[in-house]
Amino acid sequence: EAQVTQNPRYLITVTGKKLTVTCSQNMNHEYMSWYRQDPGLGLRQIYYSMNVEVTDKGDVPEGYKVSRKEKRNFPLILESPSPNQTSLYFCASRRTALNTEAFFGQGTRLTVV
Amino acid sequence: AQKVTQAQTEISVVEKEDVTLDCVYETRDTTYYLFWYKQPPSGELVFLIRRNSFDEQNEISGRYSWNFQKSTSSFNFTITASQVVDSAVYFCALSEAGDNFNKFYFGSGTKLNVKP
Repeated sequence: EAQVTQNPRYLITVTGKKLTVTCSQNMNHEYMSWYRQDPGLGLRQIYYSMNVEVTDKGDVPEGYKVSRKEKRNFPLILESPSPNQTSLYFCASRRTALNTEAFFGQGTRLTVV
Repeated sequence: AQKVTQAQTEISVVEKEDVTLDCVYETRDTTYYLFWYKQPPSGELVFLIRRNSFDEQNEISGRYSWNFQKSTSSFNFTITASQVVDSAVYFCALSEAGDNFNKFYFGSGTKLNVKP
């Protein structure tokens, strides 16, 4: 089954404790991205990757890192989480960046206390 | 400026009513793509439709229909004879083919409540 898998689904952590949210897709898609969803703001892009070893900042990259060492995986790293990073996070993949729909993971609800 | 505007924050209807969710977009590109996604209470994002800027034909899929009008930069979504299972947040999104081809712009979403 074609899917985007994120882990964990829920995470509560403390300020400053490094964490990684994993994302994996099995569709051989070139393009992957991370979004955060906050009430009233819709989804905002954090980082995206056009292909292996090619990543770039989205609209709200501060406080986040990503890597794309393999085509299927695109982890999101919070080196020093802060309470303003409490949000619902989605990973997405697209076959290419152009003219294709995005497939989303199930979401990761992160709470930073 | 917002690339995608969904002015309706929340709509409540009674089952079997028709409801239209508005989406207005802004782009200077002549080639672009519009999308609708559904986010049910369980939280996942479900793809509903993709429309490119060269295809202004309206689309119907069961109880769902979409009205794309370039003249007003709108891509509205209508649910006919709504059902409780339609209760969700609906997002409109835009993807451009120009310099920002790698971006995917979402509206802020419209929460639809369908009451029995």
